[in-house]
Amino acid sequence: GIQVEQSPPDLILQEGANSTLRCNFSDSVNNLQWFHQNPWGQLINLFYIPSGTKQNGRLSATTVATERYSLLYISSSQTTDSGVYFCAVPTQGGSEKLVFGKGTKLTVNP
Amino acid sequence: NAGVTQTPKFQVLKTGQSMTLQCAQDMNHNSMYWYRQDPGMGLRLIYYSASEGTTDKGEVPNGYNVSRLNKREFSLRLESAAPSQTSVYFCASNRPQLAGHLLEYYGYTFGSGTRLTVV
Repeated sequence: GIQVEQSPPDLILQEGANSTLRCNFSDSVNNLQWFHQNPWGQLINLFYIPSGTKQNGRLSATTVATERYSLLYISSSQTTDSGVYFCAVPTQGGSEKLVFGKGTKLTVNP
Repeated sequence: NAGVTQTPKFQVLKTGQSMTLQCAQDMNHNSMYWYRQDPGMGLRLIYYSASEGTTDKGEVPNGYNVSRLNKREFSLRLESAAPSQTSVYFCASNRPQLAGHLLEYYGYTFGSGTRLTVV
């Protein structure tokens, strides 16, 4: 099945710094999603981004489907950005079943 | 508040005991899912239901059963709990959006999770 790899596994930042999280996937996909899990465990859908770039406030995401990767940018990080960021792709074209990467754990220190 | 509600939030079971995790959503979503999250493993799909009356296996279905009771409710049952089922369980729901001739699945909403320990 499709493999999803995220890097780095852990990232520690000072408040105000910028960061880039990467997601590589092993096969062609027609969509990709980014999720944030806060330190209390709640999961929130951040982006649905099959290709191109989307922005939402200080967060933006870019997917280059032909090269099988996606990037999540966090600018001017805040302590509330802490948590684990997951990317997920369908198990096969058009499927609603998602395969998640292992996540990047982000810690933003004040 | 609208969303996905899971019960219980915490549970400790002895090996061999059974239990049912409950999940309900009030967003009129067709699709519902059960995932488990283990340390360092991300989320893995156990079962999902594309609509009322249908269920299908995900990546790690062994040891679990599910019931889509109606459009709102999707329960997960452990018939004989094992220590390997110690995990955090998440229920989610979703509604497909038609984009041209394709169905797209975004807008996932997750419950707050059930932390299960089997001793």
